[in-house]
Amino acid sequence: NAGVTQTPKFQVLKTGQSMTLQCAQDMNHNSMYWYRQDPGMGLRLIYYSASEGTTDKGEVPNGYNVSRLNKREFSLRLESAAPSQTSVYFCASSESSQPQHFGDGTRLSIL
Amino acid sequence: QKEVEQNSGPLSVPEGAIASLNCTYSDRVSQSFFWYRQYSGKSPELIMSIYSNGDKEDGRFTAQLNKASQYVSLLIRDSQPSDSATYLCAVNRREGLTGGGNKLTFGTGTQLKVEL
Repeated sequence: NAGVTQTPKFQVLKTGQSMTLQCAQDMNHNSMYWYRQDPGMGLRLIYYSASEGTTDKGEVPNGYNVSRLNKREFSLRLESAAPSQTSVYFCASSESSQPQHFGDGTRLSIL
Repeated sequence: QKEVEQNSGPLSVPEGAIASLNCTYSDRVSQSFFWYRQYSGKSPELIMSIYSNGDKEDGRFTAQLNKASQYVSLLIRDSQPSDSATYLCAVNRREGLTGGGNKLTFGTGTQLKVEL
């Protein structure tokens, strides 16, 4: 049972490049989330999708866009990467108000 | 004031002792509370969830919630070196979002070290 799968696991970008982080869950959860985790800052919500067809901003949405492709998949896009977006990105999913389950993360460095 | 506050630690306890991890939150309408464990370089893993005042026990773990004091804690009995990790407190500020889901606010975590 894979749970929440994130790709890629590691990525190095140059400033100004774009990329999409992929996330897929096989638990039939309605809700999906994107977080970033920085030292001393904890996990911060970037965007979330409460259900298929809806997306909303979280605490730190600037510089990011998301797409809820279907019930399983929720992608995060950086249109023009900046060094401040160097972080570890986690995708999570949940059913209703139940606990969220996390993927293994994507470690992103922007030079 | 941070929405969810935890002492960053490190909290050091000897093997076999009880580790007590604390978390306070600022929003009185918070409804549900979660403890996650995160090993270095790994993703958060759910340890406990608690929704009503009092204690909830699961094996060596006990979560305690006091909504009047806006305080939630995690006790780890018979601490083992494998318990050494960062423990994240997460608070759900609402019953749920329109269409489902929940919007969690995380503390910055407490680093626990269990020493031999």
